[in-house]
Amino acid sequence: DAGITQSPRHKVTETGTPVTLRCHQTENHRYMYWYRQDPGHGLRLIHYSYGVKDTDKGEVSDGYSVSRSKTEDFLLTLESATSSQTSVYFCAIGQGPEAFFGQGTRLTVV
Amino acid sequence: TQLLEQSPQFLSIQEGENLTVYCNSSSVFSSLQWYRQEPGEGPVLLVTVVTGGEVKKLKRLTFQFGDARKDSSLHITAAQPGDTGLYLCAAHGSGNTGKLIFGQGTTLQVKP
Repeated sequence: DAGITQSPRHKVTETGTPVTLRCHQTENHRYMYWYRQDPGHGLRLIHYSYGVKDTDKGEVSDGYSVSRSKTEDFLLTLESATSSQTSVYFCAIGQGPEAFFGQGTRLTVV
Repeated sequence: TQLLEQSPQFLSIQEGENLTVYCNSSSVFSSLQWYRQEPGEGPVLLVTVVTGGEVKKLKRLTFQFGDARKDSSLHITAAQPGDTGLYLCAAHGSGNTGKLIFGQGTTLQVKP
């Protein structure tokens, strides 16, 4: 299995607070991705990175920012959490066409 | 915006039946992947198809990439309860930027 760790695995936060989710890899893969998964929507791409300090928006990037200061870490920040951001968040890494996923972070915004 | 449309969204069948899941797009892709996801876990790669018309088999699962590389199908023969899960197709966007998009998924339930 690819070495990819998401933290935290579960989080409950209040509306309006900032939240940061971390994705850490030990595989030295070039690409890193953040997705959210909601019933009926499959996986929707939030942001992705194609190298250190190189990031781009996905389909649902509003309200989210990312940073990648090291190859191994990709951070997802919700600047001011809203209830619509309650979801399961998955990080993935890739070097070629395929992606390898973390275990997910269940985020609840109350 | 490049979209991957999967059908059907839900499928409930009896053990032993055959089924096909479709993944369609108006865009041409250099490759396409199929993943399977179980509850509480991240998706796991099943296969990558690259060449138009390519057929790959993984035990009772048969994957096909369309001749024009715009669509793909997953066929399961003699489905078993262990096949239950969410099946997702995925592909990279144009321009080789690494952007990986997914279809909305097909939830399969195989009843004993």
